[in-house]
Amino acid sequence: GAVVSQHPSWVICKSGTSVKIECRSLDFQATTMFWYRQFPKQSLMLMATSNEGSKATYEQGVEKDKFLINHASLTLSTLTVTSAHPEDSSFYICSATLAGSTDTQYFGPGTRLTVL
Amino acid sequence: AQSVTQLDSQVPVFEEAPVELRCNYSSSVSVYLFWYVQYPNQGLQLLLKYLSGSTLVKGINGFEAEFNKSQTSFHLRKPSVHISDTAEYFCAVISDTGRRALTFGSGTRLQVQP
Repeated sequence: GAVVSQHPSWVICKSGTSVKIECRSLDFQATTMFWYRQFPKQSLMLMATSNEGSKATYEQGVEKDKFLINHASLTLSTLTVTSAHPEDSSFYICSATLAGSTDTQYFGPGTRLTVL
Repeated sequence: AQSVTQLDSQVPVFEEAPVELRCNYSSSVSVYLFWYVQYPNQGLQLLLKYLSGSTLVKGINGFEAEFNKSQTSFHLRKPSVHISDTAEYFCAVISDTGRRALTFGSGTRLQVQP
């Protein structure tokens, strides 16, 4: 149980285009989802916290107009990287917490974004 | 604010040897503690967690960790490692009040050699 999927698993795009990444909780309802970014050989850095039906809370230094997050249902959150540039190339990982639980996060497999 | 320190960026060890991966944390409030493992190009998998109760926590794949409040540590141990344990290991905390987001350490690369 508690499986989180991400789609796509990898994507290559041209500079200036937008890319949407989906995060789904497959067998549970997730009231809160988190989006992290991980650069090569580094730890995960929290980008934003997303609660179903409300606006996402972004971490300091993360541009909310560039990284659009939508959490329209209890099983789906999306991250859209708008006008992507090469410096946005990274590994993006989402996680979700079970409705009614606030400690354990279940992580998706990640999405490798490469911007040319 | 809270922080997590993993002093060892890499830990090489021979197969079937014991291993300890160190984690220290800093927080002004009580925390919950976690260890996650990440295999190449994959997301994170929960190894174990400490919420309350017994300070010795057993997890999957034969790993265990001990919470030491006085030393603010949560070291991960395994008595005998396998080649398949080669991966990146992350220690993380959540404060028991306020935001529920994880704060991660910088990670420790466990390299098991034959």
